[in-house]
Amino acid sequence: AQSVTQLGSHVSVSEGALVLLRCNYSSSVPPYLFWYVQYPNQGLQLLLKYTTGATLVKGINGFEAEFKKSETSFHLTKPSAHMSDAAEYFCAVTKAAGNKLTFGGGTRVLVKP
Amino acid sequence: GAGVSQSPSNKVTEKGKDVELRCDPISGHTALYWYRQSLGQGLEFLIYFQGNSAPDKSGLPSDRFSAERTGGSVSTLTIQRTQQEDSAVYLCASSLDRGPNEQYFGPGTRLTVT
Repeated sequence: AQSVTQLGSHVSVSEGALVLLRCNYSSSVPPYLFWYVQYPNQGLQLLLKYTTGATLVKGINGFEAEFKKSETSFHLTKPSAHMSDAAEYFCAVTKAAGNKLTFGGGTRVLVKP
Repeated sequence: GAGVSQSPSNKVTEKGKDVELRCDPISGHTALYWYRQSLGQGLEFLIYFQGNSAPDKSGLPSDRFSAERTGGSVSTLTIQRTQQEDSAVYLCASSLDRGPNEQYFGPGTRLTVT
């Protein structure tokens, strides 16, 4: 069975500061890993994904994540937070293409001016 | 092009009533998923349709929940004899069958059972 753990249900950052959202997973097979963002009253939007190849993945809105197999982690970062980054972020894993996603509990990001 | 659409956006129903939630996937997407998002349980997988294959129903929480997908496109999630614990946001997603599993999500249907 797969599982995803996101450390910290709420994160507060100052505008311009580093955003770091932690995600650890467990999977019995090489995983596909995703980060989704959810703005209030909206569906989920894909930020970035890791399938194979380069372990540092760049996504939309200046976010990136690094797949570290030895640490079973896929942490999300952004060098400089913007007010528009305030949202909830979900890490997810699936074991194969065309398969259901298992989500972490989500991290709500608050950006302070 | 058009994204995944869901209707209604909000639904309030009385306990014990049946409800139907609709999902229109992106044209050409052969895979369709239903998830439920609730305060207590987070985001949970419910059911997955892939082409003409038998659906993966492993996430349905009880036999009050069912779903169908007609003509390989539109899907309806039905909840019979609704209970208060069914209150949640029901999200639909679709994806291309091939390649990495990038799922595109609809805006969801917020269900409130009173």
